[in-house]
Amino acid sequence: AQRVTQPEKLLSVFKGAPVELKCNYSYSGSPELFWYVQYSRQRLQLLLRHISRESIKGFTADLNKGETSFHLKKPFAQEEDSAMYYCALSGRGAQKLVFGQGTRLTINP
Amino acid sequence: DAGVIQSPRHEVTEMGQEVTLRCKPISGHNSLFWYRQTMMRGLELLIYFNNNVPIDDSGMPEDRFSAKMPNASFSTLKIQPSEPRDSAVYFCASSFGGTSYEQYFGPGTRLTVT
Repeated sequence: AQRVTQPEKLLSVFKGAPVELKCNYSYSGSPELFWYVQYSRQRLQLLLRHISRESIKGFTADLNKGETSFHLKKPFAQEEDSAMYYCALSGRGAQKLVFGQGTRLTINP
Repeated sequence: DAGVIQSPRHEVTEMGQEVTLRCKPISGHNSLFWYRQTMMRGLELLIYFNNNVPIDDSGMPEDRFSAKMPNASFSTLKIQPSEPRDSAVYFCASSFGGTSYEQYFGPGTRLTVT
């Protein structure tokens, strides 16, 4: 069964501190992993996907198949990073996304 | 481009009433998804369409829920009869193509069933 687990519902860090939002997944095949973000009063939108291996707004995420994880990291948090973050998974060749419960990140000044 | 459009943005109804949520995907997108978001269960996929054809409706909770996509620019999600436990935010999203393609979300419809 496909499952995405985000163990932290709430995460609070100070501006300038490193941030790591945890995501673990369960999938029997080769998954594709994504991070979506929802800023206050905005729509849910794609932040990054593992196949792109890109850094967006200073965030990176590495797929670790051994640990079945796809943690989202940023070395220096900014106040504008405060938002709800969702990790999501799809099976290779599939369109269906399975989302985690989400983590609400708050960056304190 | 206005992006994915959903209506209404808020709906308050009484238990037993029929509720219809509407979605207009981004022009040119050929896949459409309906999600439900609750505090308890997070964001769940209810059903998705590809080229107006329902592909996977395994997330539809029960027969009270139905979804249609009569053409490429319009979809509805209907709940009949509605129950208080259906209270949630319902999102519609669209995308072009298959896996790894970004899903674009609408603003959501906040449904409250009293």
